Amino acid sequence: DGGITQSPKYLFRKEGQNVTLSCEQNLNHDAMYWYRQDPGQGLRLIYYSQIVNDFQKGDIAEGYSVSREKKESFPLTVTSAQKNPTAFYLCASSGQTSEGDNEQFFGPGTRLTVL
Amino acid sequence: ELKVEQNPLFLSMQEGKNYTIYCNYSTTSDRLYWYRQDPGKSLESLFVLLSNGAVKQEGRLMASLDTKARLSTLHITAAVHDLSATYFCAARNGGSNYKLTFGKGTLLTVNP
Repeated sequence: DGGITQSPKYLFRKEGQNVTLSCEQNLNHDAMYWYRQDPGQGLRLIYYSQIVNDFQKGDIAEGYSVSREKKESFPLTVTSAQKNPTAFYLCASSGQTSEGDNEQFFGPGTRLTVL
Repeated sequence: ELKVEQNPLFLSMQEGKNYTIYCNYSTTSDRLYWYRQDPGKSLESLFVLLSNGAVKQEGRLMASLDTKARLSTLHITAAVHDLSATYFCAARNGGSNYKLTFGKGTLLTVNP
């Protein structure tokens, strides 16, 4: 059963802590992405990776870090430098299709709350 | 820089009525995507529009793309309560195969 999994579903962080959000996909997609969603807002791109061992900053990368050591995995670390991390975090992946559409498929999300 | 604007941001409809959500984007883009999000849930892909004049339909939803006008529309026909959700459009950045820019979303509420 192919798909994208994210864990945990809910995460609570104390001030000054780093936390890592997991994202795994078994769709054999080359590209993976992390987005942040705030209430009533659209999605904003944090980081993306087009291939293993390579990643680029998105529009709001400050206070976040990522790694892409395996094709299937793209973990996101929210560091203490991120001053307002409370949000809904969505991971996505995309692959080349015969139509070349690079459609992005999304995981179920992680809701992060700072205590 | 690619910007995507949706309107309206809030839409309250009665069941059985028709309405259209508009998605404008600021620079050239050759791919337009529509997603649905239920409260507290992730995004579900609805349509991928690949070329000028593309039209796709699924049930009571129909999406179209006019790349010359930089406009995509999502038309709702004879709305039902189950269509209540937030709908997002996203445009693919020109020159990049991967990055999408999302609109802020349209919160649709269908009332009995």
